[in-house]
This record gives sequence, structure tokens and C-alpha cells, in this order.
Amino acid sequence: QVQLQQWGAGLLKPSETLSLTCAVYGGSFSGHFWNWIRQSPGKGLEWIGDINHSGSTKYNPSLKSRVTISVDTSKNQFSLKVISVTAADTAVYYCARPRVPQGPAGYWGQGILVTVSS
Amino acid sequence: DIQMTQSPSTLSASVGDRITITCRASQSISTWLAWYQQKPGKAPKLLIYKASSLESAVPSRFSGSGSGTEFTLTISSLQPDDFATYYCQQYNTFPWTFGQGSKVEIK
Repeated sequence: QVQLQQWGAGLLKPSETLSLTCAVYGGSFSGHFWNWIRQSPGKGLEWIGDINHSGSTKYNPSLKSRVTISVDTSKNQFSLKVISVTAADTAVYYCARPRVPQGPAGYWGQGILVTVSS
Repeated sequence: DIQMTQSPSTLSASVGDRITITCRASQSISTWLAWYQQKPGKAPKLLIYKASSLESAVPSRFSGSGSGTEFTLTISSLQPDDFATYYCQQYNTFPWTFGQGSKVEIK
């Protein structure tokens, strides 16, 4: 059974860096793309980007200039950093994985609410 | 980006009703479409992938259809556990994009 558990700071000030990590338990870490997705009242669900076990990434062009996704295969973890956050980055952030390669997200983390406020 | 538009945004229905939610894509996505169910405070749950394939353990009252740009999610007989918000998502082209959601409320 695949489980994703995520953590990170939930309250940031404008211009700070958002940093979240997702640990994967169960299943194979290689052979999949590991995703970050966020959900805000204003923009709904938004795909941020993904990474595979070898570090190959894809990013949403709307966020690409501020986002870095990285992977630590020794710990079966992957991470998200978003620099220069603003109130518009306030959202629930989810890590997720397709159930099958090239598929939609079948496994999700519990979600973390990140609030950006001065 | 491919725009996904759902209708209706809100739907009021009773237990036992048959309901249908529509999702339209701004360009063809073949059948690379998923449907999710989300309840308050929870992550989305995958119901259907590839437009019409039922995810494991999802009740058979859920079904999906469509291809190209128009898709539907049908619940054949609404159950109390089905009152939630439903989202469609295309995974034909990056960036993945989602519909704005359709909330199914108790009538």
C-alpha cells in the first residue's frame, strides 16, 4: 500500500521561501513521476510540477520561474521549494503519485495548508 | 494550457437520484481524462481514469464517458456518501489542468 506523508512550514511572510517535503512509504520509488499539486479558493486545483527518481522535472509554466522540485532517493522523499511567495501562493499543497505510470494522481498526501501573510 | 470547464457548478439532488456532470476541454484530449471526488478537508480521490475506467474499489454506480472534448460523469443512484465536490482533470498535455469543480448538495 502506497502512502505519502508530507510536512513543512504552514505560515510564511511575503517574499519568504515555501519548503515542503513528501515521504513515500510502500511501492516502488523508481518508475513513477512524483507530483506537487495545490488548491486555493481562488484558482482551484493547480498542478505545480513533477519529478522522477532520476531527477527529471516538469513544471507548470505559470510557476516555473519560482519553483524547484528535488528528489532524495536514499530516503524515498521528494521536495518542493517556491521562492518569493505572495498571498496568491496561499493554498493547500498536496504531494501525489499516479497509480500507474502516465496516469492521473491515484495516491495523495494528506495536504498542508500554507498561509502567506504579513 | 488546456482549459477544463465543468457544469453545473452546483447541483442539488436527493438520495436515489441519477445525476450527470459535464466536463468540456478547450481542445481534444482523446480519453486522457480523470474524475475525482473531494470531501471537505480531504485530498481528492480518484474515481475514473481514461474517461471511463473505474478505479479499483469505486462503486459501480459511478461511470464516465466521452472522448475528444466532451465528457460526463454519471452517478446512477445517489447515495448519502456521494455528496461532495467532483473535479475533472486532463492528463493529455502538460501542464495538467483541472475543472473548477461541481458541488453535489442535498436537496
